[in-house]
Amino acid sequence: SAVISQKPSRDICQRGTSLTIQCQVDSQVTMMFWYRQQPGQSLTLIATANQGSEATYESGFVIDKFPISRPNLTFSTLTVSNMSPEDSSIYLCSVGTPGEGNIQYFGAGTRLSVL
Amino acid sequence: LAKTTQPISMDSYEGQEVNITCSHNNIATNDYITWYQQFPSQGPRFIIQGYKTKVTNEVASLFIPADRKSSTLSLPRVSLSDTAVYYCLVGEARDMRFGAGTRLTVKP
Repeated sequence: SAVISQKPSRDICQRGTSLTIQCQVDSQVTMMFWYRQQPGQSLTLIATANQGSEATYESGFVIDKFPISRPNLTFSTLTVSNMSPEDSSIYLCSVGTPGEGNIQYFGAGTRLSVL
Repeated sequence: LAKTTQPISMDSYEGQEVNITCSHNNIATNDYITWYQQFPSQGPRFIIQGYKTKVTNEVASLFIPADRKSSTLSLPRVSLSDTAVYYCLVGEARDMRFGAGTRLTVKP
């Protein structure tokens, strides 16, 4: 298993600004994932972040809007750029752990409101 | 990517056994079946994973028929605290995509 810490837990931001969300894991992991979950909806994968390579984005998500960094095996950031009210959502990071390749462990999420 | 289909919602009463079935007709040979539970304002939590037949842990059981085209999550004697959304996913972590899930409501 893995313990994931996500910061901030929530934020209220102004339109046009950017927010960087941090995800810290208590062990080294190869795969990290970033999701978006809108109220009452399921999770939508934004991108997969692997250390040492560019993030792989899902259809509908672009690097300019959601740049991701993955500087080492325990840390990643997701930036939500040039925010609009449509970006109001919960953003979650998860990890896939070595030896448990089919299981993801999730952080508590970041609740973002854009005014 | 294997697509999954689950009931959108289910209701139950405290103390009852709840069975949630997930259909995954195009499951691949190497795919595992994984179930998650999500409470409001929390990230999904891993419940159980299986490949074939039956798997049981302290929280739930997972039944998988021989053709593996479906699976059933069984929650014994549910309580109010089991009210949550349950997701069935198929495949490797990098290939998993969340469907709509099943919203289970446990009533007193």
